[in-house]
Order: sequence, then structure tokens, then C-alpha cells
Amino acid sequence: EPEVTQTPSHQVTQMGQEVILRCVPISNHLYFYWYRQILGQKVEFLVSFYNNEISEKSEIFDDQFSVERPDGSNFTLKIRSTKLEDSAMYFCASSEEWQGKAFFGQGTRLTVV
Amino acid sequence: AQSVTQLDSQVPVFEEAPVELRCNYSSSVSVYLFWYVQYPNQGLQLLLKYLSGSTLVKGINGFEAEFNKSQTSFHLRKPSVHISDTAEYFCAVTPVGGFKTIFGAGTRLFVKA
Repeated sequence: EPEVTQTPSHQVTQMGQEVILRCVPISNHLYFYWYRQILGQKVEFLVSFYNNEISEKSEIFDDQFSVERPDGSNFTLKIRSTKLEDSAMYFCASSEEWQGKAFFGQGTRLTVV
Repeated sequence: AQSVTQLDSQVPVFEEAPVELRCNYSSSVSVYLFWYVQYPNQGLQLLLKYLSGSTLVKGINGFEAEFNKSQTSFHLRKPSVHISDTAEYFCAVTPVGGFKTIFGAGTRLFVKA
């Protein structure tokens, strides 16, 4: 079965530093998403991306966050100045159709120290 | 706004016994409903979804769920569980026409031999 791949699997960063989380969605997919899961809490929607623009974002996705599809294959989530509370597992997902089956990556565990 | 309540945080069950994982939701608009499974150290995998049509939905690994609009429920069932079904299960909803998926807190299914 095709896979969404995320790199790195674990990233440790100093508070205030910028991080970029990388995702390679499935090649023919058109809809892309980022979610996060703080340890012990619910999976939370961050943002969806379609046709090279954000289609919807949550209250969590403030000006510190941005997404990009720089080269037609990667889909990145950038956090400009990380805070301790950004520590979480970040999941990327993609789907071929709107409301189609979403495939999730294995996640990147971000630890801000 | 939408919310999802998974009524049980943990469900221990013996192998080959039936199981039901409960999910209730609230929404002021129509929603699509999903169940995801997360095995240890892995990403989320879609088990099944309800978009429209028959209220009984069959998914992978022998799971099924029934959408009950009057009770705003979408309970997940399996007639006979295996050790390999041990995982965290998440109920989720997406408003019709939207992209933002709201997840429940998850139910940890623990299958004992």
C-alpha cells in the first residue's frame, strides 16, 4: 500500500528556534493535512492544503505556523519560533479526493527544550 | 462547532469476545464520521467512514459501525477480537463541506489472551 513518509521521526529543538517538519504525501494525492497530538491529549487538526493554498486552518495554526509545498512532492510545516507547548507528535496526511480516504504518516515527535 | 465524546478511555476484553467502542458527537451541521486506529508507534489508519447511504458501515479488519442520527452516535463493533486488535481507536467527525476533522480522545482497546 502507498505510504506517506515523514522526516525526521524525532526532532529536539531549543525554545525559540525554527523547525521544519517534512512530509512526502502519496504522489497522486491532492489534499494535504497536518495534525498534532500532544502527549496524552486528542489528535488536533492544524491545517488543510489544496491547490497550493490553505483551505482551512484551526485556531492553533497562528502566525507562528506556515505550510508549503515547495517542489510538488514535499509538504512542509514550519514553526518559526518554537515554544515548550509545541512539543507534540505531528502527523501529516494526504488524500486523493475531498473526504476521500486519508493516509497518515508515522508522525514526527517534536520535543522543545 | 463539533465535538466528539468517546465514552470509554480503556476497554479490556478477552480474545474472541465481542467488543463495542462507543462514540457520540454533537454538531449543528451535518457531518461525516470516521473511525481510525493507531497501533503503537505508528500513524493513524482509517478503519471505516460514513458519508451517506446505509447507516451500517463495514471497514477493515472485521470492524463495523452504525450511524444513529437520532442518538448522534457512531459506535464501533467487532464480533470477535484478536490480540492484534490491541490499539488506540479514535472516532472523528468532519463537517459536510469542511476540511477540519475533530477527533475524540481515543479508546484504548486491550485484548487479553
